[in-house]
Amino acid sequence: GDSVTQMEGPVTLSEEAFLTINCTYTATGYPSLFWYVQYPGEGLQLLLKATKADDKGSNKGFEATYRKETTSFHLEKGSVQVSDSAVYFCALSDRGQFYFGTGTSLTVIP
Amino acid sequence: GAVVSQHPSRVICKSGTSVKIECRSLDFQATTMFWYRQFPKKSLMLMATSNEGSKATYEQGVEKDKFLINHASLTLSTLTVTSAHPEDSSFYICSAARAGEGNTQYFGPGTRLTVL
Repeated sequence: GDSVTQMEGPVTLSEEAFLTINCTYTATGYPSLFWYVQYPGEGLQLLLKATKADDKGSNKGFEATYRKETTSFHLEKGSVQVSDSAVYFCALSDRGQFYFGTGTSLTVIP
Repeated sequence: GAVVSQHPSRVICKSGTSVKIECRSLDFQATTMFWYRQFPKKSLMLMATSNEGSKATYEQGVEKDKFLINHASLTLSTLTVTSAHPEDSSFYICSAARAGEGNTQYFGPGTRLTVL
């Protein structure tokens, strides 16, 4: 069945460091891929998405490219800020079903 | 656009009482709404999927008589936790899929339920 695997956290970075959070997926159909962010005590916010192979989603300095050949959708940001501290979830949607990764906690220290 | 609200944001209740949580899509019509439960430091667990005007589809292991879902309109779904017990304490999050954008879910801010 479909599934999403993302790197385990927690991840701690200094401000302005480069961020990569790995995400790989397994799907039988042609999924859409998403990154959601959850700040403490809040729900999930859609960060970016890509609906087909080679699409790049981007928002607020974050980027992720849908790589079908490696079944990956890694999240990157060139220079993180303290305000980026949150939990990040990779997810896929395939034939009406949604699948989430386990979430990666990011803490950015000044 | 694509704002989803939940009410209440927090609720504390006594064991044995029922609690209703509302989920509204504020600026769009939601063809489908979803209810999730999230345990501390864990991912989301899908509880059920509801379509307006029809019965909800529950995930395996979720008691439909305990977690009543009503999707009365294209902008409102409710989750009622009946005869709540302390083990039902959790963070409940709803999401909504917008018509014509079926594979993207927009999430509400969540409801923290504490059962004493």
